[in-house]
Amino acid sequence: AQSVTQLGSHVSVSEGALVLLRCNYSSSVPPYLFWYVQYPNQGLQLLLKYTTGATLVKGINGFEAEFKKSETSFHLTKPSAHMSDAAEYFCAVSDQGGGYQKVTFGTGTKLQVIP
Amino acid sequence: EPEVTQTPSHQVTQMGQEVILRCVPISNHLYFYWYRQILGQKVEFLVSFYNNEISEKSEIFDDQFSVERPDGSNFTLKIRSTKLEDSAMYFCASGTSGNTEAFFGQGTRLTVV
Repeated sequence: AQSVTQLGSHVSVSEGALVLLRCNYSSSVPPYLFWYVQYPNQGLQLLLKYTTGATLVKGINGFEAEFKKSETSFHLTKPSAHMSDAAEYFCAVSDQGGGYQKVTFGTGTKLQVIP
Repeated sequence: EPEVTQTPSHQVTQMGQEVILRCVPISNHLYFYWYRQILGQKVEFLVSFYNNEISEKSEIFDDQFSVERPDGSNFTLKIRSTKLEDSAMYFCASGTSGNTEAFFGQGTRLTVV
């Protein structure tokens, strides 16, 4: 069974500071990994994904994440936080291949950006 | 760009009533999913549907829930007798071979009063 652990349900950063949201996964097969962002009362927006190949993946809004197999981690970073980054972020995992893409989500991290 | 469409965006229903949440997946997709997010909590898998039958369901998906693909375009989630604890955001998703991700709709917020 797959699972995702997000460390820190709430993270506060100052505007312009580094954003680091932590995610560790557990999967018995090579995973696909995702970060989604959810703004209040809105749906899920895919920020970025890792499937195969390059372990550092870049997404929208200046976010990036690095897949580290040895650490079973997929932490999300952004060099400089912006007020508009305040949202909830979900790390997620699914199995590779075959077309079936059931996603298992983490519990989410709410990012607060302080002016 | 193709997208998954869910209607309505917000539905209010009385406890004990039946409700049907509707989704139009991306047209060439073969796998369909429903997820639920209770306010302030994580997104949870409910059910997956492939080849006109349920392929996997979670323990949340009990006898009060059912899914159907009544025609070639819609995918519905029916909740037979709603309870207060069914209040949540419900997300539909679809995917197919060759994609590396499932595509999510914007969700239907269900409020049971």
